[in-house]
Amino acid sequence: GAGVSQSPRYKVTKRGQDVTLRCDPISSHATLYWYQQALGQGPEFLTYFNYEAQPDKSGLPSDRFSAERPEGSISTLTIQRTEQRDSAMYRCASSLTKNHNEQFFGPGTRLTVL
Amino acid sequence: AQSVTQPDIHITVSEGASLELRCNYSYGATPYLFWYVQSPGQGLQLLLKYFSGDTLVQGIKGFEAEFKRSQSSFNLRKPSVHWSDAAEYFCAVEGRGAQKLVFGQGTRLTINP
Repeated sequence: GAGVSQSPRYKVTKRGQDVTLRCDPISSHATLYWYQQALGQGPEFLTYFNYEAQPDKSGLPSDRFSAERPEGSISTLTIQRTEQRDSAMYRCASSLTKNHNEQFFGPGTRLTVL
Repeated sequence: AQSVTQPDIHITVSEGASLELRCNYSYGATPYLFWYVQSPGQGLQLLLKYFSGDTLVQGIKGFEAEFKRSQSSFNLRKPSVHWSDAAEYFCAVEGRGAQKLVFGQGTRLTINP
């Protein structure tokens, strides 16, 4: 696609529910990143993929968080048993390769856990 | 661990005035350095980046930034701001060999007419 897209743009859920967020990167981009941005803060790294491989998931806050990119293009971020502290903007970015190229960011998914 | 500090949470300037947004980083070596801008409802857009070479880098929308190794700083400047520059600005670093950006907490810029 022309840019990075994310869906849904807004998600409201109740505590304890599972949510899945989707990221569709720029079609030629090998590398895909997920960030979490709390209100009033900068984005914080969660994990990244190089094609379908996931070399670094050190930023995932707990084992309730998982991400996939099974075919090396679209990626999903799943949060199980959501908690109120999971409320944040979740941002996806992609880059041509993993070697310090510009990361192009999507508009984000605003998650609210009630 | 890498960290980025943006000392000013909120800055207000008049349209046409000059602008400087501060950024300091903590890292063992010289990282890659970036400035992003975030407008409401939009994704983060890259303004400029420093990898190596000339320490004064030019970016889009008339912005520039200067890398000062001795001060561990990468301040963003613009000679004359426009109302459309109102947004949130993030400084970020990426360690050489690391595959993730570390962001500052951001500086919100308000423009007075």
